Amino acid sequence: GAGVSQSPSNKVTEKGKDVELRCDPISGHTALYWYRQSLGQGLEFLIYFQGNSAPDKSGLPSDRFSAERTGGSVSTLTIQRTQQEDSAVYLCASSSNGQGRNSPLHFGNGTRLTVT
Amino acid sequence: AQSVSQHNHHVILSEAASLELGCNYSYGGTVNLFWYVQYPGQHLQLLLKYFSGDPLVKGIKGFEAEFIKSKFSFNLRKPSVQWSDTAEYFCAVRSNFGNEKLTFGTGTRLTIIP
Repeated sequence: GAGVSQSPSNKVTEKGKDVELRCDPISGHTALYWYRQSLGQGLEFLIYFQGNSAPDKSGLPSDRFSAERTGGSVSTLTIQRTQQEDSAVYLCASSSNGQGRNSPLHFGNGTRLTVT
Repeated sequence: AQSVSQHNHHVILSEAASLELGCNYSYGGTVNLFWYVQYPGQHLQLLLKYFSGDPLVKGIKGFEAEFIKSKFSFNLRKPSVQWSDTAEYFCAVRSNFGNEKLTFGTGTRLTIIP
């Protein structure tokens, strides 16, 4: 079956522009996560959606970052007024059951964002 | 808050050598523990996981990990590595209740020399 799909796979943007990154989770997965992977920084948690609950936004690095999840499925991560330090690979993951504890995360291939 | 430490940033081994990658976490409660692997050019995938029961868990491709609660450790092992094991390995922890956030370590890059 289809895995987690992210688009675009690569995005180059000028400093100060806004970008939108999209994630299509695996069908039926109720939990959705965004992570950021930077060289030498590992995976940095950004935001977590679980069903209809309020998202856990504790990892968003600044108010320039926001995310939404429409209809409990597709999610969009928006970065406003991009800065060079925003350059990274943005990863989306989903997991299957309501509590998530017994289901691992399935990752997409990521969006490589380069801010020039 | 939970955190994960992977002290080995880059490990270089010859084929057939034994492997042990360290992972320590800090969290006072019950945890679920994971190792993920990212092969060159591929997405992250689950290698193995521990939820409860036998602290020695076996994963894909001959990998295993042992949960030692007293040491807050979940080290990854493989008795004989292959060139195809070249990848980046991430340890991760999640509390067993409440917040579902999965916290990752910074990763260990493993290079296997043929």
